[in-house]
Amino acid sequence: AQSVAQPEDQVNVAEGNPLTVKCTYSVSGNPYLFWYVQYPNRGLQFLLKYITGDNLVKGSYGFEAEFNKSQTSFHLKKPSALVSDSALYFCAVRDGSGGGADGLTFGKGTHLIIQP
Amino acid sequence: ETGVTQSPTHLIKTRGQQVTLRCSSQSGHNTVSWYQQALGQGPQFIFQYYREEENGRGNFPPRFSGLQFPNYSSELNVNALELDDSALYLCASSLGITGSNYEQYFGPGTRLTVT
Repeated sequence: AQSVAQPEDQVNVAEGNPLTVKCTYSVSGNPYLFWYVQYPNRGLQFLLKYITGDNLVKGSYGFEAEFNKSQTSFHLKKPSALVSDSALYFCAVRDGSGGGADGLTFGKGTHLIIQP
Repeated sequence: ETGVTQSPTHLIKTRGQQVTLRCSSQSGHNTVSWYQQALGQGPQFIFQYYREEENGRGNFPPRFSGLQFPNYSSELNVNALELDDSALYLCASSLGITGSNYEQYFGPGTRLTVT
């Protein structure tokens, strides 16, 4: 079985400050890890993914995430937050050793609020 | 390049009725997955279609069924609707089912309300 934990329901950051949204995962095989963002009444927008290779992954809109195998974490980061980054963020995992039949398992989401 | 589209945007059904939701995958994508997102929750995987066959399913009862067509568009059918089926239904498409091909792109969703 695979699971994702996003320990913070909400993260508040001042505009211009660095932000971190936390994610830890559990999967029996190789983890495929993803971050998505959701704006009100909208679908999910892809931000970035880790499949293999470098542990630091760069994605859309200046976001990046670091894969840490020993801590089973995949925290989302951005050096300087913008008010427009305010949204709901989801971390998701898939077992890459599962032969392709598994869907994504999502966390409950973290509301990111950037204060002007 | 056209993104993932879904129809209808919203609909309201009565308990016990049946509903069909539709999804057009992104150009070149042969895999479609469906997710249910209840209010305040993360999306939950319903099932996945790859090259017109269901090849993966989450923890949803058989009254949730689907189809994928030769052009890789897809339908989600739900029979005997229950109040708890009220949710945002998301469709996602990808180039394939393994490795980097599994980067999923989501449609805007269909908001289903069951009364």
